[in-house]
Amino acid sequence: NAGVTQTPKFQVLKTGQSMTLQCAQDMNHNSMYWYRQDPGMGLRLIYYSASEGTTDKGEVPNGYNVSRLNKREFSLRLESAAPSQTSVYFCASSEAFSQGRNSPLHFGNGTRLTVT
Amino acid sequence: AQSVAQPEDQVNVAEGNPLTVKCTYSVSGNPYLFWYVQYPNRGLQFLLKYITGDNLVKGSYGFEAEFNKSQTSFHLKKPSALVSDSALYFCAVRDAVSSASKIIFGSGTRLSIRP
Repeated sequence: NAGVTQTPKFQVLKTGQSMTLQCAQDMNHNSMYWYRQDPGMGLRLIYYSASEGTTDKGEVPNGYNVSRLNKREFSLRLESAAPSQTSVYFCASSEAFSQGRNSPLHFGNGTRLTVT
Repeated sequence: AQSVAQPEDQVNVAEGNPLTVKCTYSVSGNPYLFWYVQYPNRGLQFLLKYITGDNLVKGSYGFEAEFNKSQTSFHLKKPSALVSDSALYFCAVRDAVSSASKIIFGSGTRLSIRP
């Protein structure tokens, strides 16, 4: 099993350029997430999708859009990249939450994005 | 809204000594808590999660976590540290009342084990 796959692994953008980060999982998970990791800030939630067809804002959604394309795929789009969006981006997935089941997140290996 | 705090940016421990990495949380209802570890240039790996009713939870690599409801804490512990435990550790919390699918992470604690 590949688990959670993110593409690309590295990307350099100029200010104002757009790009889409791709994420796919093969574990039949309902919920998917996008986080960004910055030094001293930990992981901050950008957007999440509790199930196919739904998306919700996280802690830092400004400047980003997401698409839950199907159950497997959850993409993150930067419409007009800014230097403040230089970060490492992680996608994660998990089974749906229920009172009897608190499944952990499974993470991809990340995308290192630099905006100049 | 939920929140989680890791008050120490870095914890330094000698190999063989016990270690503690601190985490406190705030949620509306029952807490659903996790610990993750991140090795350099890697994604995050799940270590353990809180199970309702268990004040001491055991996880991977010999780690355990102590839940204290009155202090709203979920500290990560290990009786005898190894140099290979050196990594970045994150505490996370899910608030089942406000938004069950939303999982928030702390700022992380860098654990350094000296030989």
